[in-house]
Amino acid sequence: GAGVSQSPSNKVTEKGKDVELRCDPISGHTALYWYRQRLGQGLEFLIYFQGNSAPDKSGLPSDRFSAERTGESVSTLTIQRTQQEDSAVYLCASSRRTSNEQYFGPGTRLTVT
Amino acid sequence: GQNIDQPTEMTATEGAIVQINCTYQTSGFNGLFWYQQHAGEAPTFLSYNVLDGLEEKGRFSSFLSRSKGYSYLLLKELQMKDSASYLCVLGDGGYIPTFGRGTSLIVHP
Repeated sequence: GAGVSQSPSNKVTEKGKDVELRCDPISGHTALYWYRQRLGQGLEFLIYFQGNSAPDKSGLPSDRFSAERTGESVSTLTIQRTQQEDSAVYLCASSRRTSNEQYFGPGTRLTVT
Repeated sequence: GQNIDQPTEMTATEGAIVQINCTYQTSGFNGLFWYQQHAGEAPTFLSYNVLDGLEEKGRFSSFLSRSKGYSYLLLKELQMKDSASYLCVLGDGGYIPTFGRGTSLIVHP
């Protein structure tokens, strides 16, 4: 079956511009996570969605970052006024339940010039 | 809070066996995961332990001791394609798992 998909796969943007990243989780997966991974670094948790519950935004690094999820389907991560330190791979993962293994999308590589 | 410790890098020879250790401290526990991440790719799930003991899955096995806060991933009959980063991931009872920094495994001929 289809896995987690993300778009775009690569995004190059100028400092100060806004970007929107998209994640389509596996159908039926109620939990959805966004992570950031800088080059050579570990995964950094950003935000978590579980069904229709209020999201856990505790990992968002600043108020320039926001995310939405439509029901139990697609999610978008928006970064406003991008900065060079936002350059990273943004990974989305979904799971059937919060305690289950996560299935990761291929990621979006964001480069802010 | 949680703290995960695993070696930064390991090297091994093709065909050999390698054990990647992970120690952790946590106030809650609902499982320990291992993921594999090849360079430039997303992590993929390898194993999940919630009870003490050894879980075997083909060439890969994972062990857990909750009382010692210790896990290891055992890779047998190493192949060149096993060169990757191996992530120890802790479920602390909440819904946000904690990822370790990963162990970069280099398999050479």
